Amino acid sequence: AQSVTQPDARVTVSEGASLQLRCKYSYSGTPYLFWYVQYPRQGLQLLLKYYSGDPVVQGVNGFEAEFIKSNSSFHLRKASVHWSDSAVYFCAVSVYQGGRALIFGTGTTVSVSP
Amino acid sequence: DAAVTQKPRYLIKMKGQEAEMKCIPEKGHTAVFWYQQKQSKELKFLIYFQNQQPLDQIDMVKERFSAVCPSSSLCSLGIRTCEAEDSALYLCSSSQLVEQYFGPGTRLTVL
Repeated sequence: AQSVTQPDARVTVSEGASLQLRCKYSYSGTPYLFWYVQYPRQGLQLLLKYYSGDPVVQGVNGFEAEFIKSNSSFHLRKASVHWSDSAVYFCAVSVYQGGRALIFGTGTTVSVSP
Repeated sequence: DAAVTQKPRYLIKMKGQEAEMKCIPEKGHTAVFWYQQKQSKELKFLIYFQNQQPLDQIDMVKERFSAVCPSSSLCSLGIRTCEAEDSALYLCSSSQLVEQYFGPGTRLTVL
């Protein structure tokens, strides 16, 4: 069965520092990959997605992610975080096209300190 | 921007009561999903509709929940008899292709 692992439950970074959130998936093929962000008391917002092509994808608010097939990873990065980036970040995969449930990781809580 | 609407935002029920929450998917999206999220963490898939027809659901939904999409612009998720363990954020998402867009959720508290 497919699964997603986010090994870091909580990450604390200083404002202006770089951020990397790790995500590894379990699937023999190439799935559709996503990063979502959840701000307090809100739903999930799509940050970026990867379907095929260039393994580095750009998202909103300066986020990017790199797909490394050999490592089954899809890590999220941001060069310089802002206090407003404090949120919970979820990595998710889908192995179907045309509408199927996403498989989510357990999320990483990011706290940005001033 | 995608705009999935969910109502109500907050719902408080006593144990044993019935609960109902609604979702208005993004216009033009043919797939609707419901997820349950506890403690602001892992999302659990509940049920998936394609063109208003339920195509996949977990056993818990079959046993204690009721879910329908009477039109392409409205879906609802109900709990027949609320239990304390049902306290959670219920998220609805809709999709046209692969990526899903989420609503703000309905936070259910069962007392």
